[in-house]
Amino acid sequence: KNQVEQSPQSLIILEGKNCTLQCNYTVSPFSNLRWYKQDTGRGPVSLTIMTFSENTKSNGRYTATLDADTKQSSLHITASQLSDSASYICVVSADNNAGNMLTFGGGTRLMVKP
Amino acid sequence: DTEVTQTPKHLVMGMTNKKSLKCEQHMGHRAMYWYKQKAKKPPELMFVYSYEKLSINESVPSRFSPECPNSSLLNLHLHALQPEDSALYLCASSQGKGGGRTEAFFGQGTRLTVV
Repeated sequence: KNQVEQSPQSLIILEGKNCTLQCNYTVSPFSNLRWYKQDTGRGPVSLTIMTFSENTKSNGRYTATLDADTKQSSLHITASQLSDSASYICVVSADNNAGNMLTFGGGTRLMVKP
Repeated sequence: DTEVTQTPKHLVMGMTNKKSLKCEQHMGHRAMYWYKQKAKKPPELMFVYSYEKLSINESVPSRFSPECPNSSLLNLHLHALQPEDSALYLCASSQGKGGGRTEAFFGQGTRLTVV
């Protein structure tokens, strides 16, 4: 069964600090891995997308890494801001004839405090 | 246009009501999805339409009835819902059979409350 596990479940940091979120997955056949940011009551918004051959991808203060051998990914947030408070969801995609089957991690709820 | 538009944004309905959720995209995507998300949980897949045909139904109760009238529209018809069906309902779309960099785009969701 395809699974995506994230840690920690929740995290509180002070504004300006850095943090790293983790994602482990067992999804086959692997297509890509994405990190989404989801504000409460809103739809997820994609931050980064990485395929099998990509090790790192940056989007402003967000940097994602992917180790396809160990099936692990991380999302590093630098110089956190209050607006970074949200849930961060790791989503792994498997391509099949029905489309892109997405397996969601449980998310990490990040709170940035002043 | 990289938007997936969902209407309504909020919906309160009684257990005997019939209502519909709507989702629209104009990105030429041929796969569309309905997800249900309870508070503090990740989205759970309900249905997948691929090329306007229902390809996956994740054992969803029959009180939820999806419909894909054309490649741009996806509806979710609701009837005789229960209070535990209250949740955020998310629509998503993707290219379909796309390969490595295909990305799913999500709508803002419909916050459904069943009373």
